[in-house]
Amino acid sequence: DTAVSQTPKYLVTQMGNDKSIKCEQNLGHDTMYWYKQDSKKFLKIMFSYNNKELIINETVPNRFSPKSPDKAHLNLHINSLELGDSAVYFCASSQDRAYTGELFFGEGSRLTVL
Amino acid sequence: EDQVTQSPEALRLQEGESSSLNCSYTVSGLRGLFWYRQDPGKGPEFLFTLYSAGEEKEKERLKATLTKKESFLHITAPKPEDSATYLCAVQAGGTSYGKLTFGQGTILTVHP
Repeated sequence: DTAVSQTPKYLVTQMGNDKSIKCEQNLGHDTMYWYKQDSKKFLKIMFSYNNKELIINETVPNRFSPKSPDKAHLNLHINSLELGDSAVYFCASSQDRAYTGELFFGEGSRLTVL
Repeated sequence: EDQVTQSPEALRLQEGESSSLNCSYTVSGLRGLFWYRQDPGKGPEFLFTLYSAGEEKEKERLKATLTKKESFLHITAPKPEDSATYLCAVQAGGTSYGKLTFGQGTILTVHP
């Protein structure tokens, strides 16, 4: 039973298109995150929600919009995709805002923009 | 700006050959340093949290240590199943919990 699941695992799309990635966690956690892993393998935080409230919003283009319908789900919508958006996007969750630094990651969604 | 640098970028070991991975960091007020393991095509998996200089944590063949400027992940008598990318991350004081700054990772390959 997957703890943090993301769909789709792979997206290949053209520049200018809009795409969404969905994330669900069944761990009962109250905080969820989106991290981006670029081609150099650096993981960088994008957003975080705690009980549906946005608590971390890093410097990310407005084309990226997260939505949390409930504390078990966090989706990422990307408008007007650009070549530089190609990356692996990881969803993660934690208990109590990750005081211990323990995040539970999904398997990632690899986005390729052509 | 918080920064994490890991070395070496890649490390190849023979099974049973012990070694260490390094994580150097600069951060304003370290709240915690974390080690994660990432297998190909998977998300990172949490290993350890270290909070203060001198602290050590162990798990099977792995031992993590922390000083004021760096952390080491010691691997004793590694096995092929220890092959993975090991990621180091820090969390700065005054930032939101869960906002981790990651290094680029060390790719460890253990040959049988």
